[in-house]
Amino acid sequence: KQEVTQIPAALSVPEGENLVLNCSFTDSAIYNLQWFRQDPGKGLTSLLLIQSSQREQTSGRLNASLDKSSGRSTLYIAASQPGDSATYLCVLTKREAGNMLTFGGGTRLMVKP
Amino acid sequence: GAGVSQTPSNKVTEKGKYVELRCDPISGHTALYWYRQSLGQGPEFLIYFQGTGAADDSGLPNDRFFAVRPEGSVSTLKIQRTERGDSAVYLCASSPDPTGTERTYTFGSGTRLTVV
Repeated sequence: KQEVTQIPAALSVPEGENLVLNCSFTDSAIYNLQWFRQDPGKGLTSLLLIQSSQREQTSGRLNASLDKSSGRSTLYIAASQPGDSATYLCVLTKREAGNMLTFGGGTRLMVKP
Repeated sequence: GAGVSQTPSNKVTEKGKYVELRCDPISGHTALYWYRQSLGQGPEFLIYFQGTGAADDSGLPNDRFFAVRPEGSVSTLKIQRTERGDSAVYLCASSPDPTGTERTYTFGSGTRLTVV
């Protein structure tokens, strides 16, 4: 059974810092990996999607990497802003078509002005 | 619609009562998923529909939980004899093509269920 672990569980940083969120998983037979953002009372927003054949994806101040062999992914946030405060979820899709997503426990990020 | 709509947004019910949670996916999305998120944890899979049929219901915790999608669009998650442990946020997601290359998912805002 796939297990997804996110470290740290919570993080508080001052505005402007660069930061790294970590995700590890036990089963490397994945189809893709996604990073989602979750805001209180709102749905999940997909930030970046990395196919299993890819190593990284970038969008604006966000960069996500994937290393299947070591079972790890990182989400890098550059020049953090208070608006980045949210819970970040690492999510895996299995190789089998149509199967469910497996979520990590999330990292709760607080960026202080 | 423009997004995945879930109703109600909040539901408070007494222990032992029956509840129904509704999910209205994006029009044309064939796949629909239900997840449950307890406080401080990531969402956990409950059930996945492809069209009208439940393709995978392995995440339903027990037979008090049941979900339907009779016309392949709107889905209803039904919980009988609710227990305090059922309190959580229930999330719904839809996908246009879960077998395709992108496998993108759109989530609703969730229904926060509180059993008192």
